[in-house]
Amino acid sequence: DADVTQTPRNRITKTGKRIMLECSQTKGHDRMYWYRQDPGLGLRLIYYSFDVKDINKGEISDGYSVSRQAQAKFSLSLESAIPNQTALYFCATSDFAGEAGELFFGEGSRLTVL
Amino acid sequence: GQNIDQPTEMTATEGAIVQINCTYQTSGFNGLFWYQQHAGEAPTFLSYNVLDGLEEKGRFSSFLSRSKGYSYLLLKELQMKDSASYLCAVKDSNYQLIWGAGTKLIIKP
Repeated sequence: DADVTQTPRNRITKTGKRIMLECSQTKGHDRMYWYRQDPGLGLRLIYYSFDVKDINKGEISDGYSVSRQAQAKFSLSLESAIPNQTALYFCATSDFAGEAGELFFGEGSRLTVL
Repeated sequence: GQNIDQPTEMTATEGAIVQINCTYQTSGFNGLFWYQQHAGEAPTFLSYNVLDGLEEKGRFSSFLSRSKGYSYLLLKELQMKDSASYLCAVKDSNYQLIWGAGTKLIIKP
């Protein structure tokens, strides 16, 4: 089983619908992140959390919200999906932000908004 | 603004050597990462450089020159399974990762 699990893996929805993407991890890491990936662009950070009581906006947080339900769970919500939120979404975890802090990614959630 | 530049696509031959360059302009520097991403899959960590010089890890090596804002990833003895995108990312002064758009590497027999 993957250490970082995302559900759903694929989702097609309509404009205006509420969508939740879920992420759970078994790595025991405190830090969790949500990124989106679009063709021709680098990964862009949406939100990140350094522990259960900590939530921080990333580069492109507008239109998104998150919830850190437990150390192992971090969910991303689109309250009212729009077509330009069609993208590949990745959850990631890391152990610390100092010396290295390599990211461990989930398998991705492909979202299509019609 | 902050910027990471890498070639969009490169082609190389199985068994050969390829060098993928990355140049960066960021507010501060706290390390540079290379990740590999196969099509439709998650990125996976390849290497980390924080000091100038070459880090070797099997067939893969990564070089950093902080004064030039430059890094490269060197892949030797290319195999078909090396066909993937290679992502360069820099940690800035706030320890935030700035990502390049990635270099798609195509390996031909």
